Amino acid sequence: GDSVTQMEGPVTLSEEAFLTINCTYTATGYPSLFWYVQYPGEGLQLLLKATKADDKGSNKGFEATYRKETTSFHLEKGSVQVSDSAVYFCALSGGGADGLTFGKGTHLIIQP
Amino acid sequence: DGGITQSPKYLFRKEGQNVTLSCEQNLNHDAMYWYRQDPGQGLRLIYYSQIVNDFQKGDIAEGYSVSREKKESFPLTVTSAQKNPTAFYLCASSELAGVTDTQYFGPGTRLTVL
Repeated sequence: GDSVTQMEGPVTLSEEAFLTINCTYTATGYPSLFWYVQYPGEGLQLLLKATKADDKGSNKGFEATYRKETTSFHLEKGSVQVSDSAVYFCALSGGGADGLTFGKGTHLIIQP
Repeated sequence: DGGITQSPKYLFRKEGQNVTLSCEQNLNHDAMYWYRQDPGQGLRLIYYSQIVNDFQKGDIAEGYSVSREKKESFPLTVTSAQKNPTAFYLCASSELAGVTDTQYFGPGTRLTVL
């Protein structure tokens, strides 16, 4: 079946550091890929998505490129802020009725 | 504002009681989902529904039940058969399952068994 693997956390960085959160997937066919963000005590918010190979999703300074050859969708940001502290989830959709398959989440902590 | 609402935000249950979590959406979405979130385990799918009066079991449906009598509503009942119900519960919806894929989430309900 489909699966998503993302780096374990917590990831702790200083403000203005460069961020990479790795995400790799296993799926049949051509899935859509997503990054969601969850702030403490809240639901998930869509951060960005990509629906086909070589697509780049971007939002709020975050970027991720759909790499089919390496089955990856790594999240990057050039300069993180304290307000970026949250849990980040990578997810995929194979187009089935049961929706998304999620990774376990990566807790990001940004220190001032 | 369009969105998904869940209530209550916090819920406490005694052992042996059934409780119902509310989920309402005004996005006119066809598909709705319930997830359970436990620390370090990501999200696990409980039930999903593509259309009114139809729903399917997800990966961890045992001890839970749902109904879908209206397009905008998808309540989840946690029954006494669920052995470890303490968790954060998230409801989501999408335009049409398997087509646009993007799911939109409510703010969640934290259930604690006393």
